Amino acid sequence: QSALTQPASVSGSPGQSITISCTGTSSDVGGYNYVSWYQQHPGKAPRLMIYDVSNRPSGVSYRFSGSKSGNTASLIISGLQAEDEADYYCSSYTSSSTRVFGGGTKLTVL
Amino acid sequence: QVQLVQSGSELKKPGASVKVSCKASGYTFTSSAMNWVRQAPGQGLEWMGWINTNTGNPTYAQGFTGRFVFSLDTSVSTAYLQISSLKTEDTAMYYCASSTMIRGVIYWFDPWGQGTLVIVSS
Repeated sequence: QSALTQPASVSGSPGQSITISCTGTSSDVGGYNYVSWYQQHPGKAPRLMIYDVSNRPSGVSYRFSGSKSGNTASLIISGLQAEDEADYYCSSYTSSSTRVFGGGTKLTVL
Repeated sequence: QVQLVQSGSELKKPGASVKVSCKASGYTFTSSAMNWVRQAPGQGLEWMGWINTNTGNPTYAQGFTGRFVFSLDTSVSTAYLQISSLKTEDTAMYYCASSTMIRGVIYWFDPWGQGTLVIVSS
């Protein structure tokens, strides 16, 4: 199972909105609404930010949202804050009954 | 609160074995599947597979068969990852992560353990 494709890096200024894409195939992202997103600060464990494409767990800021179109899922962060600077990973369920991660995206807040 | 606590860092020589533990608390251990995720230094997350905490049946991702073994001790709500015949390329942070599993579908990973650093060096 190949890793999902994410941009290596994205950046934005405080207050702006950014989008991180996650592209797979019809056997993973496109075939199921089981995409989740994780935030990882340096030296820390990943943290769930979005599950099942667009659902936000309790405690996650409303500034984080998710969507999907075809084989591409997206994480949108609005009103960027310095604390949002981190690595972000998407993950999808696959037709092989496995999970796969994206390669990760480094978000820089300028 | 719901949490996973992993064992401490390990320094091993090539060819040795290591066993990492992941103790769950705050929820019914057998109600969720347990996953293992590897993160090599400076690299991304890699799903290693999962173990059904009800049946003990493990599923290994491609690239993690043979030297990797998932196991459980449900009496102490603990999952284990054992790696044998260690290689230098096994140097990584290893995370456990719980997930809901319904009818064979592994859902999102939450919570995560704090990670266990395994260093393989002569």
